[in-house]
Amino acid sequence: AQTVTQSQPEMSVQEAETVTLSCTYDTSENNYYLFWYKQPPSRQMILVIRQEAYKQQNATENRFSVNFQKAAKSFSLKISDSQLGDTAMYFCAFIRGGAGNMLTFGGGTRLMVKP
Amino acid sequence: EAQVTQNPRYLITVTGKKLTVTCSQNMNHEYMSWYRQDPGLGLRQIYYSMNVEVTDKGDVPEGYKVSRKEKRNFPLILESPSPNQTSLYFCASRSYWEPANYGYTFGSGTRLTVV
Repeated sequence: AQTVTQSQPEMSVQEAETVTLSCTYDTSENNYYLFWYKQPPSRQMILVIRQEAYKQQNATENRFSVNFQKAAKSFSLKISDSQLGDTAMYFCAFIRGGAGNMLTFGGGTRLMVKP
Repeated sequence: EAQVTQNPRYLITVTGKKLTVTCSQNMNHEYMSWYRQDPGLGLRQIYYSMNVEVTDKGDVPEGYKVSRKEKRNFPLILESPSPNQTSLYFCASRSYWEPANYGYTFGSGTRLTVV
């Protein structure tokens, strides 16, 4: 079974600064994918960024980037130039490759961006 | 618009009174799943379905039932709700034909309170 751990229940950052959210996971699989989801106060689950385990290059989406360390089973999210709209819960999630598999989530990190 | 629709958005009920939370998707997805979200625990899978008439237990199935009689609908049934089922519930769906890295499409969540 896979497990996903987010060790930072809450974090805060000043507007325009950079913040990094941590995520570690445990799996014996070699084919898998990792995600970061954002959940603003509206409760909607929004996919922020995804990473394929077979890709060495770290994924980037505008101000969001990841540091994927496969050997260490670490998948951190970096948010650059933080904006007030980034205030949300952030969930790290794992899914095995192939058909018939489901997402496993970490416990979440609540991020507050301060003006 | 491609979406997963959950109803109701909020629900307050009393212990033991049967209730159903509906979930419908318009993307012809094969996979559908129910999650519950609790503070510090992230999202945990309750039940999932790989197609019509095919359902299976997730990590926390006790006290819940599901059915998949039509491809688009996947209702969650609480036959005798208890206060420990107070939670935020999400329905999600995914296509069998898309790679696992596409992630899931989530509904807007149902906040359930059992008193």
